[in-house]
Amino acid sequence: AQTVTQSQPEMSVQEAETVTLSCTYDTSESDYYLFWYKQPPSRQMILVIRQEAYKQQNATENRFSVNFQKAAKSFSLKISDSQLGDAAMYFCAYMRNMLTFGGGTRLMVKP
Amino acid sequence: SAVISQKPSRDICQRGTSLTIQCQVDSQVTMMFWYRQQPGQSLTLIATANQGSEATYESGFVIDKFPISRPNLTFSTLTVSNMSPEDSSIYLCSVEDYRAPGTEAFFGQGTRLTVV
Repeated sequence: AQTVTQSQPEMSVQEAETVTLSCTYDTSESDYYLFWYKQPPSRQMILVIRQEAYKQQNATENRFSVNFQKAAKSFSLKISDSQLGDAAMYFCAYMRNMLTFGGGTRLMVKP
Repeated sequence: SAVISQKPSRDICQRGTSLTIQCQVDSQVTMMFWYRQQPGQSLTLIATANQGSEATYESGFVIDKFPISRPNLTFSTLTVSNMSPEDSSIYLCSVEDYRAPGTEAFFGQGTRLTVV
């Protein structure tokens, strides 16, 4: 079974600074999708960014970018110019036939 | 993208009772998914609901405890039966992008259940 590991239960960043959240996964497949979801206190799961495994280019969405290392099975999220609204739980997820989530990282943003 | 309306948003229930959670999608989707998120934890898949067939449950979840209905392609319900305090969790429904299954998942707003 696929597993997704987020080794940082909590992270803290100063407003306007940059922070990187780590994620590793285990799979024997070559074709899959990876996601970062944000869950604020409202509980709504919000898609932050998506990466197709067959694409070598790292995905970017405004202030959010990923470092996808397929051979290392690593998928980190970089948040630039952090804002107070970025404070939330962040979940890394792997999708092949089903969606598997990591344990989550709680991001705190200090003003 | 798919818009999912999930109800209720929260409830406080007595142990031994049951609660039914509803999910309505604004478009037809083949599969709907139900997740449980225990306090401070990640999301765990309970079951996958296909229209016209019985739901497929993940290890550790059984139909008697979490019966699911899927009467049509836009609606599903999850019932949490004979509740105990251990069932206190957030329950979320989800669908995949119907135009390209497997490429993105959309979630309802979640139901925060507290069992007392």
